This record gives sequence, C-alpha cells and structure tokens, in this order.
Amino acid sequence: EAGVVQSPRYKIIEKKQPVAFWCNPISGHNTLYWYLQNLGQGPELLIRYENEEAVDDSQLPKDRFSAERLKGVDSTLKIQPAELGDSAVYLCASSLNSYNEQFFGPGTRLTVL
Amino acid sequence: AQSVAQPEDQVNVAEGNPLTVKCTYSVSGNPYLFWYVQYPNRGLQFLLKYITGDNLVKGSYGFEAEFNKSQTSFHLKKPSALVSDSALYFCAVRDGRGSQGNLIFGKGTKLSVKP
Repeated sequence: EAGVVQSPRYKIIEKKQPVAFWCNPISGHNTLYWYLQNLGQGPELLIRYENEEAVDDSQLPKDRFSAERLKGVDSTLKIQPAELGDSAVYLCASSLNSYNEQFFGPGTRLTVL
Repeated sequence: AQSVAQPEDQVNVAEGNPLTVKCTYSVSGNPYLFWYVQYPNRGLQFLLKYITGDNLVKGSYGFEAEFNKSQTSFHLKKPSALVSDSALYFCAVRDGRGSQGNLIFGKGTKLSVKP
C-alpha cells in the first residue's frame, strides 16, 4: 500500500514569491493534516480536514496561507507571499479518523531566501 | 489545555543496553498517547499508541511503552538498543474527549546508540 505522497520534496524560493505544496493521503483516510516542523521542534498543526471540510484551521496564518482539499482526497497548501520565517519542513499526514494514528509523508523542505 | 513534555533533548546509550526515552503529558480527559520516530530527511513513523487497556503497550521494532496514570507518563523503552535505533523520537498526546482535539507533539528526543 502506498504511503502519504508529498511533492515537491525541496523548494527554494525568494521572499515574497508564492509557493504551493501537494499531498496525496493514503487511500481511504478521511482525515488529512498539514503540519509545520521547525528545526529541532515537533510538528505543529496548521490545518485538519475531515473529508473536504477544514474542521480546524485555527493555527493557519490566514493572511498568507491557504489550503484546500477538493473532493476530499488530495490537498494543496499555499503560501503567498512567502516570508523568511516560513522556512521549515511542511508535513502532510493522514489517518482513518481523528482518533487513529497518523501516517506522515516525507515532507517538503522550504527555504525562503 | 493539553501538553506534552520530553525532558531530555538527547539520550545516549551503548548498543545492547536498555533504553528509555521519557514523556509526560497533561490532558483534561483520558489521554490518547503516541510515539513516533523520525529518521533524517524522513517523515514521522508511527511506533505505538495507548488508548485504553493494558498499561504496557508493544509496538514496532521491539519498542514498548508504559502508561502510568498517576505519574502522567508514557515512557518509551527497549530492552536492547541497536545502532539503527538512532533517530529523533516524538511523544504525542490528544484528549480522548470529544472530536475536536488535535495531536500535540513534544519537542523530540534525539537517541544516539553507540556501538
């Protein structure tokens, strides 16, 4: 069974540029998460989807970050415009539901110059 | 509010010796507890979880964890460490009440196993 797929794996952009990350969860997983992981820290939740509905986006900086999960399957996270402080690893995870263990993708390492 | 603490930034163990990675938590209701491992440039991999039942939980790669309600702890253990166990370990907790709680991760403990 394929795991959580994320692309790109690495992205380097200039500040103020837009960037987008894509995630395809494990088939059948209703819950999808986007996390931000800074160096030396644990993942911090940005947004959680139950099917196509964003049920918790309280930690998403909505002035520059947006996300969507059309058709309740794959998802895109966008930053526009990017700032230097956005440099981090962006992790996508999925689970059967919000009570089950989460399965993580390899992450996208973003560097903003 | 829920929280989780991993008091050690790094744990050093000799190969073949037992290892323990500590975790304590705070939730209002019954805890759902998880351990994940992260290898360099990889996503997190699920090791084990405690939801209810036996306080000693067995997981992947020979790891186990003991839930201690009175001490609000969920320490990760392995009887005999391998060099390949060297990685970053994260403890995570969510409140078992309701459907709105999210998983809160500790800051991680780097495990280094020397030959």
